[in-house]
Amino acid sequence: RKEVEQDPGPFNVPEGATVAFNCTYSNSASQSFFWYRQDCRKEPKLLMSVYSSGNEDGRFTAQLNRASQYISLLIRDSKLSDSATYLCVVQPGAGNNRKLIWGLGTSLAVNP
Amino acid sequence: DTGVSQDPRHKITKRGQNVTFRCDPISEHNRLYWYRQTLGQGPEFLTYFQNEAQLEKSRLLSDRFSAERPKGSFSTLEIQRTEQGDSAMYLCASSDSEAFFGQGTRLTVV
Repeated sequence: RKEVEQDPGPFNVPEGATVAFNCTYSNSASQSFFWYRQDCRKEPKLLMSVYSSGNEDGRFTAQLNRASQYISLLIRDSKLSDSATYLCVVQPGAGNNRKLIWGLGTSLAVNP
Repeated sequence: DTGVSQDPRHKITKRGQNVTFRCDPISEHNRLYWYRQTLGQGPEFLTYFQNEAQLEKSRLLSDRFSAERPKGSFSTLEIQRTEQGDSAMYLCASSDSEAFFGQGTRLTVV
C-alpha cells in the first residue's frame, strides 16, 4: 500500500457543482495534513492545512478522519478557476523527522 | 520578496554535463526539501535538510546527485553527468509547519 493515495481523476464537473476528493494515508501515527493546489507547469501552493476538528475557508472545507485514515477536501460552487491538480500531503513524523509525503494528485476540470 | 527562490528558472544542458541549482528558503524556516516532478506526476522526494543536516536522501537518487546546505540557509543540488532521464522540474520547498515552494528549476537535458 502506498503511503498516501489519491484518485488521480480527472474529475470533470460543471460550474457551480460541489466536488469532493479523498486521500488515504497508511501511517496511523501521522501528525499533520495539508492540501496543496498545483496549476499546470507551476509550483504547488498551499491551499489549506487540515485540522482534527475540520476547517473551512470560503468554498473549501477540509476534514480529517483518523479512524479511517483519510482526509477530504470539499469544494462548493465550483469556479472555472478551481481547475487544477489537488495534492494531498501527510507529515508522518514528529520532532526532527518531519518529512512530507505527497500523493500523486487529483486533477479537477471545471467546465462552463 | 520573502518567499522561496530558486535559480536558475530554466536550464538546458547537454548530456554528460554537470549542473547545479540553488535554493534560498524562507529565512526563518529550518527545514528544506528538494523534489523532482515530471509532467502528470506528483512531486518525488529527493532529499531533506533540518538546518545544515541532511536527514534523508531518497534511494531513487543515484550517486550522481548531491545536495548541500552548508550554513543551514541556502541549498544547492548538483547533478553530475546528466542523462536525458534527469529532465524534469526540480522543486525546492522550505517549512516551519506548512511547506512553501519555489517556482522550480526546469531542467532539459539534450
